[in-house]
Amino acid sequence: QKEVEQDPGPLSVPEGAIVSLNCTYSNSAFQYFMWYRQYSRKGPELLMYTYSSGNKEDGRFTAQVDKSSKYISLFIRDSQPSDSATYLCAMALMGGGAQKLVFGQGTRLTINP
Amino acid sequence: SAVISQKPSRDICQRGTSLTIQCQVDSQVTMMFWYRQQPGQSLTLIATANQGSEATYESGFVIDKFPISRPNLTFSTLTVSNMSPEDSSIYLCSADLGTGGLELGYTFGSGTRLTVV
Repeated sequence: QKEVEQDPGPLSVPEGAIVSLNCTYSNSAFQYFMWYRQYSRKGPELLMYTYSSGNKEDGRFTAQVDKSSKYISLFIRDSQPSDSATYLCAMALMGGGAQKLVFGQGTRLTINP
Repeated sequence: SAVISQKPSRDICQRGTSLTIQCQVDSQVTMMFWYRQQPGQSLTLIATANQGSEATYESGFVIDKFPISRPNLTFSTLTVSNMSPEDSSIYLCSADLGTGGLELGYTFGSGTRLTVV
């Protein structure tokens, strides 16, 4: 079993739709949860970061963490064609110093105009 | 946030040869990381490079195959040695911004798309 599971999609939705992206994980020691966005032929860029259960909102994006279920989600409201990209969840253990990130497989998202 | 330049951006190489990928960060960083992203797969950490010490390799990756240099706080190289078609992948360099926290995340280069024929 992979430490982090993410549905690879692809996922295609119309512009303006609410998008839900999800990851599950098996290691209860993960404390940091991140979502990266990766455009084609580009490196991943950090979209959101959280370390506690609950919701964190940033503009049209909401990150949700449920540690009891080992489940994290990213919601995109009022989706735009520019949101079309691959979204990767990533997790890290708690502790000082640089942390090793464990990534999900990535979900390929297309927003259709 | 730091900007990471990686080169080459892509290359097609013959099996049995080696390719060295360069990673330049526009500010000094403590930790640099090398990842591999195979088609349709997640990013897999190859090794962590700390300036002035030997790189730390993850399970399944060895120094003879992926030697890494870290001569200063802004630069690192990854060599893919004795390449085979199975090494065809995207190789990504990443840097820890040195803030001690993950809230700024790790910055990634644009990657090197390697095809081995």
